[in-house]
Amino acid sequence: NAGVTQTPKFQVLKTGQSMTLQCAQDMNHEYMSWYRQDPGMGLRLIHYSVGAGITDQGEVPNGYNVSRSTTEDFPLRLLSAAPSQTSVYFCASSYQETAEQYFGPGTRLTVT
Amino acid sequence: AQKVTQAQTEISVVEKEDVTLDCVYETRDTTYYLFWYKQPPSGELVFLIRRNSFDEQNEISGRYSWNFQKSTSSFNFTITASQVVDSAVYFCALGTGGFKTIFGAGTRLFVKA
Repeated sequence: NAGVTQTPKFQVLKTGQSMTLQCAQDMNHEYMSWYRQDPGMGLRLIHYSVGAGITDQGEVPNGYNVSRSTTEDFPLRLLSAAPSQTSVYFCASSYQETAEQYFGPGTRLTVT
Repeated sequence: AQKVTQAQTEISVVEKEDVTLDCVYETRDTTYYLFWYKQPPSGELVFLIRRNSFDEQNEISGRYSWNFQKSTSSFNFTITASQVVDSAVYFCALGTGGFKTIFGAGTRLFVKA
């Protein structure tokens, strides 16, 4: 039982490049979310999903896309990377919309 | 609008001291959920506790205790007899249904030996 996994762990991009951060969970959780963590700002919700085929925007969705074709996977796409997207990205899942979340180990992204 | 304030950016204590981390929240919803998470230096986020808005009972788990007061919109976290392993960033979070959770900025706790 791996829980929530994220790949890659580290990534460096040049401004304008695109990439996909992968997130997968093996707990059969319906609810999944993406957060970014920046110094002094806590975690901010980017996008979330309440089940396969259903996604919605969080607090800071601009510049990111998501899709949820399966219960297990919830990839986050950066369309055209910008230095402001330099951050640590966490994926999380939960069995219920009001329950605690289980977090992946994070992806540290640097955009130069 | 939902908001979580953790006014203490950093706290430094000596081992065996008690320490309280403050959390103040704002919401107009009558049903909501409060959480505390721990982020040790290794970087992962670990769930500590969940409380719903209609359960104001305080909770104790070993050296950890939580005080939920709706009258002051606070959900404070106390570590008794702190240990070096308690050094981490602690986040308070608020959920109001629909799976949107708002996190505070976090409090970094240093426990010195």
